[in-house]
Amino acid sequence: EPEVTQTPSHQVTQMGQEVILRCVPISNHLYFYWYRQILGQKVEFLVSFYNNEISEKSEIFDDQFSVERPDGSNFTLKIRSTKLEDSAMYFCASERRDSYEQYFGPGTRLTVT
Amino acid sequence: GEDVEQSLFLSVREGDSSVINCTYTDSSSTYLYWYKQEPGAGLQLLTYIFSNMDMKQDQRLTVLLNKKDKHLSLRIADTQTGDSAIYFCAEIPMDSSYKLIFGSGTRLLVRP
Repeated sequence: EPEVTQTPSHQVTQMGQEVILRCVPISNHLYFYWYRQILGQKVEFLVSFYNNEISEKSEIFDDQFSVERPDGSNFTLKIRSTKLEDSAMYFCASERRDSYEQYFGPGTRLTVT
Repeated sequence: GEDVEQSLFLSVREGDSSVINCTYTDSSSTYLYWYKQEPGAGLQLLTYIFSNMDMKQDQRLTVLLNKKDKHLSLRIADTQTGDSAIYFCAEIPMDSSYKLIFGSGTRLLVRP
């Protein structure tokens, strides 16, 4: 069964460094999402992406964040200058056109020291 | 604003039924979901219900929706130890790009 994959599973970085989190969505899916979950808190929406454009972004998704679909398979989340409060589990999700079913990857745990 | 609330913890004996409850505030929600998260794993889509339905059954899972009270429940029949996990309720508000709004999750512990 096709699944969403994410790399790396765990990333440790120093404050101020740039990180790129990678996701490979399910191949025939057209809608892509990033969510994050800070330890002990709710899963929060960051951004949705369709047709090579951001569809919606949350207040969390400020100028330090960007997303890209550099080729036909990868979907990336870049944090330009990480802060301690960016430490969280980051989940990628993808959805077939108009299916209303979002499938999640296993997540990348980002630790900013 | 949009908000989804769940109780934090539920403990049941193996073989019993589990009922996990959720309340939401956005009456315009179109779809309501249940996701399961096992330790160290991602979010697994279990089932979902469209807001014009009252009930949906899928094998051991039954979802009940009370739109008047904005209450959603997930019933797991014949609960097994493998059902131990965190269960998240989520909604998609009408006026969004299909972003999911999650509850805080209910940790289900199944005792042998």
